[in-house]
Amino acid sequence: EDQVTQSPEALRLQEGESSSLNCSYTVSGLRGLFWYRQDPGKGPEFLFTLYSAGEEKEKERLKATLTKKESFLHITAPKPEDSATYLCAVRATDSWGKLQFGAGTQVVVTP
Amino acid sequence: EAQVTQNPRYLITVTGKKLTVTCSQNMNHEYMSWYRQDPGLGLRQIYYSMNVEVTDKGDVPEGYKVSRKEKRNFPLILESPSPNQTSLYFCASSFRDGPWNEQFFGPGTRLTVL
Repeated sequence: EDQVTQSPEALRLQEGESSSLNCSYTVSGLRGLFWYRQDPGKGPEFLFTLYSAGEEKEKERLKATLTKKESFLHITAPKPEDSATYLCAVRATDSWGKLQFGAGTQVVVTP
Repeated sequence: EAQVTQNPRYLITVTGKKLTVTCSQNMNHEYMSWYRQDPGLGLRQIYYSMNVEVTDKGDVPEGYKVSRKEKRNFPLILESPSPNQTSLYFCASSFRDGPWNEQFFGPGTRLTVL
């Protein structure tokens, strides 16, 4: 059975204090791994798609990387506006329509 | 403006009273999906649709129905709601083909079943 586990559940950072979020996954064959950002009371907002091990994507202070078993979302020199819940999701090769989400990591960045 | 809209945004109802949550997208997306979000459980997929008249079950389909008669609309139907269906519901859509099939999410519908 496909599984997605995110850690830590919550992360509190000082402004400027870089850190990484982890998403480990078990899937028969990976079609794509997705990162989303979710602000309180809102729908998730797409950040990145990664397709194969070794791939990296960057957007402002965020950088996502992928290995065969896990993905990391690195937050470099975070600002308070980076406070959000970050969600990871995977799509398997044998079930295109299904998307399996992790429970998310809640990030709080204090000034 | 490209968007996914859901209605209603908030709904309080009673056990057994049939309800429909509408979802509409204006991006000509083939793929649409419904999720529920509960504290500590994350987003769980209820149903999805690869195109008009094509729907399939996600991980938690029990107690829900969907239909896809038009490309832009994908309503979620609860024929006999129960309190365990109290949750935050999200609709999402994307293109079906291509490497960039990111999903666009609606604003959510908060449902309370008493």
